[in-house]
Amino acid sequence: GQQVMQIPQYQHVQEGEDFTTYCNSSTTLSNIQWYKQRPGGHPVFLIQLVKSGEVKKQKRLTFQFGEAKKNSSLHITATQTTDVGTYFCAQPRANNLFFGTGTRLTVIP
Amino acid sequence: EPEVTQTPSHQVTQMGQEVILRCVPISNHLYFYWYRQILGQKVEFLVSFYNNEISEKSEIFDDQFSVERPDGSNFTLKIRSTKLEDSAMYFCASSPGQGLTYEQYFGPGTRLTVT
Repeated sequence: GQQVMQIPQYQHVQEGEDFTTYCNSSTTLSNIQWYKQRPGGHPVFLIQLVKSGEVKKQKRLTFQFGEAKKNSSLHITATQTTDVGTYFCAQPRANNLFFGTGTRLTVIP
Repeated sequence: EPEVTQTPSHQVTQMGQEVILRCVPISNHLYFYWYRQILGQKVEFLVSFYNNEISEKSEIFDDQFSVERPDGSNFTLKIRSTKLEDSAMYFCASSPGQGLTYEQYFGPGTRLTVT
């Protein structure tokens, strides 16, 4: 069945280091969304990517959609303690969101 | 900024009991959803709702589950006879439009503990 896998499952970084999470789908995606969930919190929308090869930036966050639209990545430059949380990619469908497995980021001060 | 609200924040119930989880979506949104997240795991879709009927449901959403929009503001999830494995965080979400191009706005969640 449909799989949207993310790697790594966990990542511990020193504050100031960079972080990247990768999202891989078994099928071609029409578009992809990214959400952040703080510890004890709820998913919060970050961004949506639609076009093949698209790159979008939000301050220290860079999002990329693969050329084949089967993978995506989120890169954080110079992590801060406020970046802690779980980052999920999600595949929007007509009537629901199919979430990836998530990458839990811990930032060590 | 408008937000989705959910009550209660935490519900403890005994196995076999019925629970109703409540949500107030953002007022001008038309599409409503329930998701659940077992501790430490990914967010799983349960059901979507539009125009007073279910649009789609997952295999998790069996006959023990039901949803309702009893008035113009509330959106509820009922679990008729809770099981231990229903223990999870339940998130309500809403969006102004359907699916592919719209983000979903999530509520803070209700933590359901079945003992």
